[in-house]
Amino acid sequence: DAGVIQSPRHEVTEMGQEVTLRCKPISGHDYLFWYRQTMMRGLELLIYFNNNVPIDDSGMPEDRFSAKMPNASFSTLKIQPSEPRDSAVYFCASSLAGIQPQHFGDGTRLSIL
Amino acid sequence: GESVGLHLPTLSVQEGDNSIINCAYSNSASDYFIWYKQESGKGPQFIIDIRSNMDKRQGQRVTVLLNKTVKHLSLQIAATQPGDSAVYFCAVKGDSSYKLIFGSGTRLLVRP
Repeated sequence: DAGVIQSPRHEVTEMGQEVTLRCKPISGHDYLFWYRQTMMRGLELLIYFNNNVPIDDSGMPEDRFSAKMPNASFSTLKIQPSEPRDSAVYFCASSLAGIQPQHFGDGTRLSIL
Repeated sequence: GESVGLHLPTLSVQEGDNSIINCAYSNSASDYFIWYKQESGKGPQFIIDIRSNMDKRQGQRVTVLLNKTVKHLSLQIAATQPGDSAVYFCAVKGDSSYKLIFGSGTRLLVRP
C-alpha cells in the first residue's frame, strides 16, 4: 500500500524565497495533518483538514504560512517569505474518520539560509 | 493546556531484554493514546494505540498499558532487537478535536 507521500524530501533555499511543500495522503483518508518537528519544540501540529476543509489552523505560526487542500489527494503548505527560523522537518499525516491512527510521510527537511 | 511528558530522554537496553518506555499526560479527559517509532530520516511510524476504555492492549512484541488513575502510559517491548533502536513518542488526544499532543520522545539504544 502506498503511504503518505511528501515532496520534496529536502529543500534548501535562501531567506525571503517562497517555499512550497507537497503532500499526497493515503487514498480514502479524509483527515490530513501538517506538523513541524524541531529539536527545541518537538512535533507540533500546524493545521489539519477534514474532507479538504481546514478545521483548525491555530498552530500555524504566522501569516507567512498558508495551507491548502484543493482535492482529496493533494495538499500544499506554503511559506512566503521564508525565514531561517522556519528551518525544520515538516511532516504530513493522514487518517480515516474517527479516532484512528495518523499515518505519517517521511517529511521534508527544510533549510532556510 | 494539555501536556505530555516522557520520563527518560534515553534508554539503553541489552539485546534480548525487555524495554519499558514511560509517558505521563496531564488531561484526565484524554480518551485516546498512541505510540510511534521514529527512525533517523523517517517519519513517525504507528506502533500501537489504546482507548481510554481499556487498560492494556497487546500487539506483536509490544504491549501498551494505560493507568488513568495516575495518568500514565507505558510501552513495553519484549525481547528487544537492534531494529528497535529509534526514538519513541507517545501522543495523546485530549479533546473533541482530532489533534494529537506529542511527548518529547525517548531514544531507545539496543546494545549487542
